[in-house]
Amino acid sequence: EAGVAQSPRYKIIEKRQSVAFWCNPISGHATLYWYQQILGQGPKLLIQFQNNGVVDDSQLPKDRFSAERLKGVDSTLKIQPAKLEDSAVYLCASSLEGGRDQPQHFGDGTRLSIL
Amino acid sequence: GNSVTQMEGPVTLSEEAFLTINCTYTATGYPSLFWYVQYPGEGLQLLLKATKADDKGSNKGFEATYRKETTSFHLEKGSVQVSDSAVYFCALSEMQVTFGSGTQLTVLP
Repeated sequence: EAGVAQSPRYKIIEKRQSVAFWCNPISGHATLYWYQQILGQGPKLLIQFQNNGVVDDSQLPKDRFSAERLKGVDSTLKIQPAKLEDSAVYLCASSLEGGRDQPQHFGDGTRLSIL
Repeated sequence: GNSVTQMEGPVTLSEEAFLTINCTYTATGYPSLFWYVQYPGEGLQLLLKATKADDKGSNKGFEATYRKETTSFHLEKGSVQVSDSAVYFCALSEMQVTFGSGTQLTVLP
C-alpha cells in the first residue's frame, strides 16, 4: 500500500512569512495527525482529525497555526506568520481509527527552516 | 498529564552486543505502549507495541514488556547489527499519543 505522502520535503522562509504543508494519508485511514518535531525532541501532537472533524487541537498555537481536512482525506497545515521557534520537522501521520491501540503510519515530514 | 522518559543517548555499541533502552512513563489511565524507530533519512515507523499489562511486543529481534508495576517499557535486543543504527522513540497512547525524546543508537562493525 502507498504510504503517507507529504510535501514539500524542505521549506525555507523568513520570519513573518506564511507557509503551508500538505498531507495525503493512507487510503481508508480515518484518523490524521499533525506533529511538530523540534531537533533533539520527540514529536509533539498539534492536531488530530477523525474524518474531517477535529478531535484534539489543544496544543495547536491557534493564533498562528491552522489546519483543515476537507472531505476527510487530504489535509493542509498553515503557519501565518512564522516565528523563529517554528523551525522544526512537521510530520503527518494516519491510522485506521483513532483508538489507543492503533499504530500510526508516518510520512517523511517537511523540514521547515525560518530565517 | 502523561509523559514518557527515555534514557539519554547517544548509545554506541559494537555489533552483536546486548541492547537495552530504558523507557518509563506516567499516565492517568491504562495506555497502550509503542516503540517507533527512525532510520537515517526515513520517517518514523512502528517497531512493536503492547496494549495491556504483562504483554510482550516483539519484532525484528527486539522485545519490550509492558510493566505496570514499574511503569516501564524497556526495549531489548540480544545481538544488535549495524543496520539497527537509528533513533528509537518510546510512546504511549491514551487520549492522545505522547512521545519520548528519542535515543540515538549507533552500532559499530
